[in-house]
Amino acid sequence: GAGVSQSPSNKVTEKGKDVELRCDPISGHTALYWYRQSLGQGLEFLIYFQGNSAPDKSGLPSDRFSAERTGGSVSTLTIQRTQQEDSAVYLCASSMDGSSYNEQFFGPGTRLTVL
Amino acid sequence: AQSVAQPEDQVNVAEGNPLTVKCTYSVSGNPYLFWYVQYPNRGLQFLLKYITGDNLVKGSYGFEAEFNKSQTSFHLKKPSALVSDSALYFCAVDRDDKIIFGKGTRLHILP
Repeated sequence: GAGVSQSPSNKVTEKGKDVELRCDPISGHTALYWYRQSLGQGLEFLIYFQGNSAPDKSGLPSDRFSAERTGGSVSTLTIQRTQQEDSAVYLCASSMDGSSYNEQFFGPGTRLTVL
Repeated sequence: AQSVAQPEDQVNVAEGNPLTVKCTYSVSGNPYLFWYVQYPNRGLQFLLKYITGDNLVKGSYGFEAEFNKSQTSFHLKKPSALVSDSALYFCAVDRDDKIIFGKGTRLHILP
C-alpha cells in the first residue's frame, strides 16, 4: 500500500521484557516521527528522524527507549525492560522532508500492553 | 516556549448544526498550523493547514479553519455537522521544524 504501515498492530508483553515496534514510512519520505498516545492524553512526541539521523531525541522518556532508522526507510522503536506505564498506542508518521509546512502521514499505530 | 491549547476536552453538537472546535497557540514568529482527525480505531489523518496567505483555510470533509493572528487562534469549523464527524480532533503548531500537538478535543455529533 501507499500509506505508513506499522507492525505489530497489537503487542502484549510481560513487565521486564523488551519489545520492538516497526514502522514503514511512505516511500520517498525522508522525515519520520514516533509518538506515544496514552488513554486520555494527547500525542507525546518521542523522536524525529531526518534520513537515518535523529536530530531531535528530546521526547524519549527514558534510556530504556531507543530508535533507529536504516536505509532512510524502515524505523524500529525499541523499549527495553518494559514497565506498565509504557502501555500506550505508539504512532509513527512520515512527511516529505521534515519541513514545518509539510503535513505528516500517520500509520495505524501499535497498541502496546504491558502486563 | 511553543505551545498549543485545546480548551475543550469534549464538544457536543446536534447533527445539522454548525460546529466549532477551539485551538489557541503560543509561538514566536509566524506559525504553521494544522488540524488532524482521528476516527475510532483508525490512525490520525491530516485535515487542513495554514501556512500563509488567506486566513480562511478549507480542508477535507467540508471542514475549514480561520487563522486569527491577533487572538492567536486557529478554530476548526464546519457549517453543518454530520454524525460521521464524531471523532478526536488535534490541533498542532509547527515552528522551526518542531511540531507540538494539542491534547485533543472529542467531538460528539448527536443524531
